Amino acid sequence: DAKTTQPPSMDCAEGRAANLPCNHSTISGNEYVYWYRQIHSQGPQYIIHGLKNNETNEMASLIITEDRKSSTLILPHATLRDTAVYYCIVRPTRSGGSNYKLTFGKGTLLTVNP
Amino acid sequence: ETGVTQSPTHLIKTRGQQVTLRCSSQSGHNTVSWYQQALGQGPQFIFQYYREEENGRGNFPPRFSGLQFPNYSSELNVNALELDDSALYLCASSLAGQGHEAFFGQGTRLTVV
Repeated sequence: DAKTTQPPSMDCAEGRAANLPCNHSTISGNEYVYWYRQIHSQGPQYIIHGLKNNETNEMASLIITEDRKSSTLILPHATLRDTAVYYCIVRPTRSGGSNYKLTFGKGTLLTVNP
Repeated sequence: ETGVTQSPTHLIKTRGQQVTLRCSSQSGHNTVSWYQQALGQGPQFIFQYYREEENGRGNFPPRFSGLQFPNYSSELNVNALELDDSALYLCASSLAGQGHEAFFGQGTRLTVV
């Protein structure tokens, strides 16, 4: 019952920007968009998250559309080590200070080619 | 490195047995969640612990249970193991509050034979 839609796979050439799209048309006003990635047989790795503004960190940039119904994760200069499954997750927030679950879909397998 | 450590890394059990998996959360984190990841699937939420109490649970039967200790470390216990319980079990720690990211350990690969 993931609330996001992602393409199952994408290819990218090494050194080029990788743009991974995600649709979350039913997102609520207090829900964040999170991105994680999982390299084969490892635990998921946090990449970035945002609410409504675009965000950038040392790993990636997150562009969220004005209506918040979709977003794009950008890896500016993809390397072979960026080959992984990328998960876009809409995460509900709760009052009272406790966190809540991450609902993973099947994600996008990004393959970076030499 | 996330600072979240899980043990053991691999485990083989026989159907019907019981298993305990352990997780040490990242320093400063007070919330621990457990996930099950079957081969080829995304992780599925089992439950979450905050202040030593379960405060959220996914669609898993009661034979999946857990504990959180005062130092915020956690255990996942599975009774009456079934073949379908074979999976990668992931622990994630975070700080309670809106917008905080969760950091995952490397997981425990459980094989039930």
